[in-house]
Amino acid sequence: GQNIDQPTEMTATEGAIVQINCTYQTSGFNGLFWYQQHAGEAPTFLSYNVLDGLEEKGRFSSFLSRSKGYSYLLLKELQMKDSASYLCAFSGGYNKLIFGAGTRLAVHP
Amino acid sequence: SAVISQKPSRDICQRGTSLTIQCQVDSQVTMMFWYRQQPGQSLTLIATANQGSEATYESGFVIDKFPISRPNLTFSTLTVSNMSPEDSSIYLCSVTGDSTDTQYFGPGTRLTVL
Repeated sequence: GQNIDQPTEMTATEGAIVQINCTYQTSGFNGLFWYQQHAGEAPTFLSYNVLDGLEEKGRFSSFLSRSKGYSYLLLKELQMKDSASYLCAFSGGYNKLIFGAGTRLAVHP
Repeated sequence: SAVISQKPSRDICQRGTSLTIQCQVDSQVTMMFWYRQQPGQSLTLIATANQGSEATYESGFVIDKFPISRPNLTFSTLTVSNMSPEDSSIYLCSVTGDSTDTQYFGPGTRLTVL
């Protein structure tokens, strides 16, 4: 079967670093995605990993290990505006994405 | 990435009525999808809107309840039929057009059924 798991909630301090983990199981795999969703808004695309390793994009980085079915999103120099839900998703074929339940991140001063 | 718009942005409807949600993209895209996001929950895929043919529905969703049209490569509609309060949710369309399966989302339609 297919499933995906990530923590429900996390808190962090402004200026700090936070790592949001995601584990998944699937027989077919075409990539791992991270989306950011602020309350009341649509998800926005953050990152895509298809090969093992770290992809860095400004303050955000995403890591993938295909053999372990594991990814993480790393947020550096946290800002208050980073308070949002972060959705992990994988592509298992047929162009469809399977989304995790999302991790609600609260950044406090 | 494509610019995606949805109409209406929100609506309040009576039980038993139907609402049609429109999704318009500013460029031709290969795939269009419809999702539901209930309060505090993640995204649930309703169906893939196929251009020129019937939509492909996920388990738990049926055409009679959620008829979908996709007359061309830039436009799709989702109808929520015979609504009940349990249909209160945010409905989102998304599109993809490249080889990576990356999806981009419209702003969503917030539906409240009384």
